[in-house]
Formats: sequence, C-alpha cells, structure tokens
Amino acid sequence: EPEVTQTPSHQVTQMGQEVILRCVPISNHLYFYWYRQILGQKVEFLVSFYNNEISEKSEIFDDQFSVERPDGSNFTLKIRSTKLEDSAMYFCASRDREDATNEKLFFGSGTQLSVL
Amino acid sequence: SQKIEQNSEALNIQEGKTATLTCNYTNYSPAYLQWYRQDPGRGPVFLLLIRENEKEKRKERLKVTFDTTLKQSLFHITASQPADSATYLCALNTGGFKTIFGAGTRLFVKA
Repeated sequence: EPEVTQTPSHQVTQMGQEVILRCVPISNHLYFYWYRQILGQKVEFLVSFYNNEISEKSEIFDDQFSVERPDGSNFTLKIRSTKLEDSAMYFCASRDREDATNEKLFFGSGTQLSVL
Repeated sequence: SQKIEQNSEALNIQEGKTATLTCNYTNYSPAYLQWYRQDPGRGPVFLLLIRENEKEKRKERLKVTFDTTLKQSLFHITASQPADSATYLCALNTGGFKTIFGAGTRLFVKA
C-alpha cells in the first residue's frame, strides 16, 4: 500500500537554528498537511496546502513556519528560528481529492524534533 | 471554537470483551466524523468514517455510532484482542481544509 514518507525520523537542533522537515506524500494525492504532537498531548493541526498555496493554518503556524512544495513529490516544513517549545513529533499527511469518498488522511511516521 | 472531548482516562478491559470509547464535540455540526488509531511513536491510521445522515457504521469488529443531537460518537471494538491496545482518536473536519483531533483514549486489552 502506498505510504507517506518522512525524513529524517529524528532531528536534533540548537535553539535559534533553522530546520527543514521533509515529506513525500502519496503520489496521486492533492492535499497536504502538517500536524505536530507534543509528547503526551494531542495531534495539533498546523497547516493545509492545496494547489501550491496554503489553504488553512492554525494560530501555531506563525511567521517562523513556512511550507513549500519545491517539486512534484516533496512537501517541506521549515522552522526559521527554532524555540525550545517547538520540540515535538511532526507528522505530514496527505489526502486524495475533495470528494465525498476520500476524506481520510494518510499520515507519515513522523519526525521527532528536539530543540536544545 | 470547536472542541472535541474524549475520555482522558485509559480504558482497561479483558480480552474478548467489548471496548466502548466516547467522543463528544461542541460548537460545531460536522458533516462527518472519523476515528483513527495511533500506536506509540507512530502516525495516526484511519479506521472509520461516519456521516451525519448515518446512525451506525461497521467494519469487521469495529462499530461507530453518530448522534448529532447529543453531539456524540461511540466507537466499539467487539471481541477485543491484546493487539487492539492503542490510542484511539476522534477527528472532525471543520468545514474547510482542517481536520482536528481529540486527545484520544488509551485502550489496554489484557490477555
């Protein structure tokens, strides 16, 4: 079965550094998402992306965050200047198309980001 | 704002019994509701979707109900097995390109 691939699985960075988290969504999917999950807490929506632009974003997704689909296969999340509170598991997800039978999200295995 | 509430306490049941998990939501009338399974250190995996005009949905040992008057969904696992031990997440689409998740309920099935 096709799957969403995320790299790296673990990322350690120093506070203030920039990080880029990478995702390869399922190839025929059109909608892309980033979520994060702080240890022991719920999965939180960050941003959705469709047709090469942000569709919706949460209040967490401030100016320090950006997303990009640089080519036909990759989808990236950049954090410009990391803070300690950015430490979390970041999940990428994708979805097929906007119709009544395809609302389910496919998630990757996540990137565990640790900011020191 | 929309809010999803799931029983934060872990649910411990004996193998073979039926597990019932609850999801309540407020400030929203979703067209559908989803349930996902999450294992430790892994991403959520889709299980079932139920629409507002459906009262009940089944898939193998799983059953979901949806009561739009009570703003509640119940998720049942019949003949539970130790392999069913995981966290189960309720999720709602908020009408656009955003799906939000409840905090999840941890299920432990003892052999």
